[in-house]
Amino acid sequence: GAVVSQHPSWVICKSGTSVKIECRSLDFQATTMFWYRQFPKQSLMLMATSNEGSKATYEQGVEKDKFLINHASLTLSTLTVTSAHPEDSSFYICSARLAGGKNNEQFFGPGTRLTVL
Amino acid sequence: AQSVTQPDIHITVSEGASLELRCNYSYGATPYLFWYVQSPGQGLQLLLKYFSGDTLVQGIKGFEAEFKRSQSSFNLRKPSVHWSDAAEYFCAVVRQAGTALIFGKGTTLSVSS
Repeated sequence: GAVVSQHPSWVICKSGTSVKIECRSLDFQATTMFWYRQFPKQSLMLMATSNEGSKATYEQGVEKDKFLINHASLTLSTLTVTSAHPEDSSFYICSARLAGGKNNEQFFGPGTRLTVL
Repeated sequence: AQSVTQPDIHITVSEGASLELRCNYSYGATPYLFWYVQSPGQGLQLLLKYFSGDTLVQGIKGFEAEFKRSQSSFNLRKPSVHWSDAAEYFCAVVRQAGTALIFGKGTTLSVSS
């Protein structure tokens, strides 16, 4: 149980285009999902907190107009990188918090590797 | 603000030898602590977690960690390392202001034969 999927697992796009990444909780409902970014050889940095039915909360320094987050249902959150540039190339990982779950346990997706040419 | 420190960037251990990865945290109350492992190009796998109770926590793959409040530490241990344990290890704590995780910078484990 408690499986989180991400799609796509990797994507290559041209500079200036937009890319959408999906994060799904497959066998549980998640009121809260988190989006992290990981640059090569570095740690995970929280980008934003996504709550179902409300606007996402972005971390300082993360452009909300560039990284659009939608959490339309209890099992799906999407991250859209708009007008992507090479510096947006990174590993994007989502996690989902079990609705009604205790102790802040989160379940992580396998990640999406984005390469912007 | 909460923080997590992993003092060792890279550790090399001989196969079969014991392992200890260090993690120190900064948090005012009782923290929720985690250890994750990440293989190259992969997502995170939860090794173990501490919420409360017994300070020695058993995890998967033969790992254990001990919570020491007096030292603000949550070190990860394994008595005998296997070559397949070579990976990146992250210690994390739940952020005070919400439920997101704050990660340490990670420790790269190499296993020599």
